[in-house]
Amino acid sequence: NAGVTQTPKFRILKIGQSMTLQCTQDMNHNYMYWYRQDPGMGLKLIYYSVGAGITDKGEVPNGYNVSRSTTEDFPLRLELAAPSQTSVYFCASSYSKAGGFGYNEQFFGPGTRLTVL
Amino acid sequence: DAKTTQPTSMDCAEGRAANLPCNHSTISGNEYVYWYRQIHSQGPQYIIHGLKNNETNEMASLIITEDRKSSTLILPHATLRDTAVYYCIVRSGGSNYKLTFGKGTLLTVNP
Repeated sequence: NAGVTQTPKFRILKIGQSMTLQCTQDMNHNYMYWYRQDPGMGLKLIYYSVGAGITDKGEVPNGYNVSRSTTEDFPLRLELAAPSQTSVYFCASSYSKAGGFGYNEQFFGPGTRLTVL
Repeated sequence: DAKTTQPTSMDCAEGRAANLPCNHSTISGNEYVYWYRQIHSQGPQYIIHGLKNNETNEMASLIITEDRKSSTLILPHATLRDTAVYYCIVRSGGSNYKLTFGKGTLLTVNP
């Protein structure tokens, strides 16, 4: 298994441009997540999904959109990029039983380093 | 979810045990203690978790005090590759989606 893969690894955007960060997992996990990590800080949850067709906001969703049309893919869309979105973006996935109770281990991708100038 | 407090940084000699403390004095009965680590520029990696009892796996041991207000992650024989930021996270068993990462402890293993 490749686990969680993310593309691209690096990207530089100009202010106002848009882009989609790709995330794919091959572990048949039902839960998927997007986090951002600013320099010297912990991770902050942007959006998450509990299954295909179901998404919800996390802690810092403004300026981002997501969709989940398949179990495997969870792309993150940046509209009108701003310098404040300069960060490292991590996608993660986990498996959870119905209701989301109990233990789950989140598997993380290698990250996408985004710079907005 | 309960808040956690960790030291900003710690040093450890290679081959010695690394003991990383975490305070979670407001933890409630159904909240688990998780540990993740993040090696420089990589995605976080799950290490271990526990509820009440001490736990051990191939990577580490987790010691939780009887009152559950603090815990210690033990890496029994630290290597240079264990240099990373270690995150202690407390999470309710019912809020599956949410792992709240603080700033963690930067563990530096020295030769």
